Amino acid sequence: AQSVAQPEDQVNVAEGNPLTVKCTYSVSGNPYLFWYVQYPNRGLQFLLKYITGDNLVKGSYGFEAEFNKSQTSFHLKKPSALVSDSALYFCAVRVPDGGATNKLIFGTGTLLAVQP
Amino acid sequence: AAGVIQSPRHLIKEKRETATLKCYPIPRHDTVYWYQQGPGQDPQFLISFYEKMQSDKGSIPDRFSAQQFSDYHSELNMSSLELGDSALYFCASGDGGTGNTIYFGEGSWLTVV
Repeated sequence: AQSVAQPEDQVNVAEGNPLTVKCTYSVSGNPYLFWYVQYPNRGLQFLLKYITGDNLVKGSYGFEAEFNKSQTSFHLKKPSALVSDSALYFCAVRVPDGGATNKLIFGTGTLLAVQP
Repeated sequence: AAGVIQSPRHLIKEKRETATLKCYPIPRHDTVYWYQQGPGQDPQFLISFYEKMQSDKGSIPDRFSAQQFSDYHSELNMSSLELGDSALYFCASGDGGTGNTIYFGEGSWLTVV
């Protein structure tokens, strides 16, 4: 069965420091990986995705993620954190199975807290 | 750019009542997904539709039903509501293809009292 793990419930980082939010996956095929961000009482906003190609993917708001097939990881990174980055971050996976509507399977989320 | 529109944003229902949530996908998106997110939980997939036909089913209770209409909007009907149904319900849409991005609406907050 497909699954996604976010091992950290919360990540604390000081403003201006680099941040990393970890994600590992377990799938039976080639994964399509996504990161979404959720601000309090809001919907999920798409940040970036890995489909194929370069392992380093750049997304919105200065975020990037690195796909590592050997470690089955897709960690989210940002060189310099902002207080406004404080939110809940979800890693998600889709596995192509020939269907047109492959759903997203989410990790449990990581709360990012950036201190001023 | 147009986004996924959900209504209502908030509703309060009593136990055993019925609630209906509506979703208007991004124009030209042919797939709609429904997710449920309990407090402090990750979103759980309920059901999806592709070209107005149910395409996948997740952990949707039998008390819930959904459909997608000819104009591609979708409705989630929830009957015999229970306290545990209190959650944030997301609708999302995509334009087909596993590599394509799924975009989410702002969600509908359902509180069952």
